[in-house]
Formats: sequence, structure tokens, C-alpha cells
Amino acid sequence: DIQMTQSPSSLSASVGDRVTITCRASQSIDKYLNWYQQKPGEAPKLLIYAASTLRSGVPSRFSGSGSGTDFTLTISSLQPEDFASYYCQQSYTMSRAFGGGTKVEI
Amino acid sequence: EVQLVESGGGLVQPGGSLRLSCSASGFTFRNYAMYWVRQAPGKGLEIISAIGDSGVTTYHAGSVRGRFTISRDNSKNTLDLQMSSLRPEDTALYYCVKDLVPGNWNPMLEYWGQGALVTVSS
Repeated sequence: DIQMTQSPSSLSASVGDRVTITCRASQSIDKYLNWYQQKPGEAPKLLIYAASTLRSGVPSRFSGSGSGTDFTLTISSLQPEDFASYYCQQSYTMSRAFGGGTKVEI
Repeated sequence: EVQLVESGGGLVQPGGSLRLSCSASGFTFRNYAMYWVRQAPGKGLEIISAIGDSGVTTYHAGSVRGRFTISRDNSKNTLDLQMSSLRPEDTALYYCVKDLVPGNWNPMLEYWGQGALVTVSS
């Protein structure tokens, strides 16, 4: 199985900060990597797919990069509505697809 | 507008069975793979079952294989998950999820329902 390791598991940041979350795969997954945002009490929302493609309607302050084993999600200027949990997910295989999540707190 | 509405959740005793259903609308259901993703309270996400657009191809995670069965009815735009031999560790919110790309089998989880809560407890 491919293992997805996300870091950090949590972080504290302020409005306006640049935030970077990393995701590492235990083997190469090319660009089969997606990012999701989840707010308390809500279902996850797809932000970025295929490592760097922004889903329609997602603000441009979100960006993704990487290929192979190392990936990053960047929020260029954190907004109040961005305080949430973020998950990476490899779509190379179905098994153990998600990283453990990163909680972005104030 | 895409809508995914789960039903069938509830409280069940260990060893019991439950059937979740998802009613889909707002897109051409028969063209997309569909998934069940669960989230235990305060925990992360797990794809537990998947089914291809035609219903021929299926996947079940090791944690549920042999106990859960995914199925779909493309004439009724419904997705089902039959769960048996339930365990306390199956307690979770179960989401019905649509893929982003028609015919895709590399999950890109575009639209999510609000979830059905399954609680396994005596």
C-alpha cells in the first residue's frame, strides 16, 4: 500500500499569512494527488486535483504543486474562511488514499 | 445542481446489518464512478467502497471486504452500501461521493453528500 504522510498535523496562523502544507507519498504517484478542505460539521470539498489544477470556483489563493512523491498545498494569503482541516489524497490506488490531515487554526 | 442524499443510517448492534442508500440528481449518474467514504468521529477519511460507472468494477477496502457490498442502479440513479457483520469500529459518518471525471477510476472526489451516521453499539 502507498502511505501518505501529511505535515504538519496542525498549525497556527494569522489572517494574511502564507501557509504551506506538505504531503509525501511512500512511492511515486506521478501527479495523482488531490487536496480537500473540510470545515467542522461539513463534508470535505475538493480544492485541487491532479496535483496542481484548481477546481472551478476555488479561490486563486490556493495552489498546489509537486509530482512523484512530494507535494505541497499553498494558501498565499490566509483568509478567515480558510481555517479548516486539509487532506491530501492519492488517486493512484484506492487503498489508504488519504493523508492524516492538517488542521489550520487561528 | 448536483445533489447526493444519503439515507439508512442509524444505531445497530455489533454483528448487525444496515443498508445505506444514496439518491443522486443533477448529473448523468450512469457516466460516473461513485464512492462511499467514511469518517470516524474526530478522525480522518477512508475510501471504503467504489463502483465503476457501469457497476461491473468494484473496490472494497480491506477493513470492510467480505462484509460490505456496494451496488448501483443506473435506472434509478441510486447507490447502495449493504453492510453486515458490523463492528464498533465501523461507527462513522458515511459519505456518498461522485467522481470528477466521467469514466474515471482514479478517484477525484468532486461532490459529497452530507453523510449518513452509522453507530455500532450495544
